[in-house]
Amino acid sequence: AQSVTQLGSHVSVSEGALVLLRCNYSSSVPPYLFWYVQYPNQGLQLLLKYTSAATLVKGINGFEAEFKKSETSFHLTKPSAHMSDAAEYFCAVSDSKGYALNFGKGTSLLVTP
Amino acid sequence: GAGVSQSPSNKVTEKGKDVELRCDPISGHTALYWYRQSLGQGLEFLIYFQGNSAPDKSGLPSDRFSAERTGGSVSTLTIQRTQQEDSAVYLCASSLAARFDQPQHFGDGTRLSIL
Repeated sequence: AQSVTQLGSHVSVSEGALVLLRCNYSSSVPPYLFWYVQYPNQGLQLLLKYTSAATLVKGINGFEAEFKKSETSFHLTKPSAHMSDAAEYFCAVSDSKGYALNFGKGTSLLVTP
Repeated sequence: GAGVSQSPSNKVTEKGKDVELRCDPISGHTALYWYRQSLGQGLEFLIYFQGNSAPDKSGLPSDRFSAERTGGSVSTLTIQRTQQEDSAVYLCASSLAARFDQPQHFGDGTRLSIL
């Protein structure tokens, strides 16, 4: 079964600092991976997706993620955090059926001034 | 264009009552999904519709849960005889097609509270 594990339920960074949110996957087939962001009382918004075209994926709002097969990882990064980046971030993988998403538990990002 | 629309945004009801949650997907999206987000379980897949095909109900937690999609567009998730453990945020998503690489677009959810 396809699954993802997010390391760290809470991450705190200073404004302007590097953001690194960790996601490791487990998959018996080449995975399709996604990062979503959720702001309070809102649904999930797609940040970026990996579909095997390129290992370094650029998304919205300055975020990017690198697929590393050897490490089974798909960590999310942003060079310089903004206050507006404070939110819940979810890593997800398509399940074997090809449509349902299996989500990680989420990482809450706090950005301090 | 309009995104995925869900109603109501909040619903409070008494244990044992039935509730209906509505989802209006993005126009032209053939695939529709329901997920449940709760503190204890995180985000869980519930059910999936693709066009006029039979839905995949494999994620529904019990037979009290059902869903339908009329005319390939609007979907209703029904929970009968609600229990306190049904309290959660119910999220609907849609995508152009049900393929590995197609991103799912989410609505803002319905926050369901069972008293």
